[in-house]
Amino acid sequence: TQLLEQSPQFLSIQEGENLTVYCNSSSVFSSLQWYRQEPGEGPVLLVTVVTGGEVKKLKRLTFQFGDARKDSSLHITAAQPGDTGLYLCAGPPTDSWGKLQFGAGTQVVVTP
Amino acid sequence: DTEVTQTPKHLVMGMTNKKSLKCEQHMGHRAMYWYKQKAKKPPELMFVYSYEKLSINESVPSRFSPECPNSSLLNLHLHALQPEDSALYLCASRSTATNQETQYFGPGTRLLVL
Repeated sequence: TQLLEQSPQFLSIQEGENLTVYCNSSSVFSSLQWYRQEPGEGPVLLVTVVTGGEVKKLKRLTFQFGDARKDSSLHITAAQPGDTGLYLCAGPPTDSWGKLQFGAGTQVVVTP
Repeated sequence: DTEVTQTPKHLVMGMTNKKSLKCEQHMGHRAMYWYKQKAKKPPELMFVYSYEKLSINESVPSRFSPECPNSSLLNLHLHALQPEDSALYLCASRSTATNQETQYFGPGTRLLVL
C-alpha cells in the first residue's frame, strides 16, 4: 500500500501568519491532488500537480511537487479565516487503478 | 463546469427504513464513486463504477446497494442501516478520457441513522 503521510495533523494560527502543510510518501505518485473541506461539505479540489518539481500558485496558496514525485507541500501566505478547513492530499496508487489514496488530513484553524 | 450534485443534503432514517441517495454529473465523466466519511477522517472508498458497470466494491455490507442507471447518474440504496452507518456520504466523478486521476466531489449527504 502506498501511504501518504500528512503533517502536521492540526495547525492553529492567527490571521496574517504563514503556514505549510506537508504530504510525504516513500512511493512515487503519478500525480497528487490537494483538496480543502469544510465541515459537512464535500472536498473541493484546489490543485493537481503532475510533473516532478512543479510549482503551482493559486492566489495566496503555493503548491510544490517534489522532484522525485514522492512528496508535496502546500504553503499559505498571510492566512485568512476563510482558509480554515481540513486539507487533504490524495494520489493514485500505482497498484490500484481508478482509486485515490488519501492522507489523514491537516485541520487548519485561522483565527481573526 | 466541474459540478457534482447530490441529493438530499441531509437525511434522517430509522433502522427499518429504505432510502436512496442520488448523485448527478454532466461533465461526461465515465467513472463515478461513492465514499463514506466520518468526522475529521479522510473519505473511505465504497464503490467505483466505470462505464456504468460496478468495477470495485470495497467489501461494503449488502445493506448498501449502488446503482448506475446511466452515465450521468449514480444512486446508493440504503436498507436496514445501523447507527454506526451515520456519516457524510460523498459522490465523486473522474474523467476516463485522460490519464489524470483527479476526482471531483459533490457536496455530500449527511446521513443520521436512529
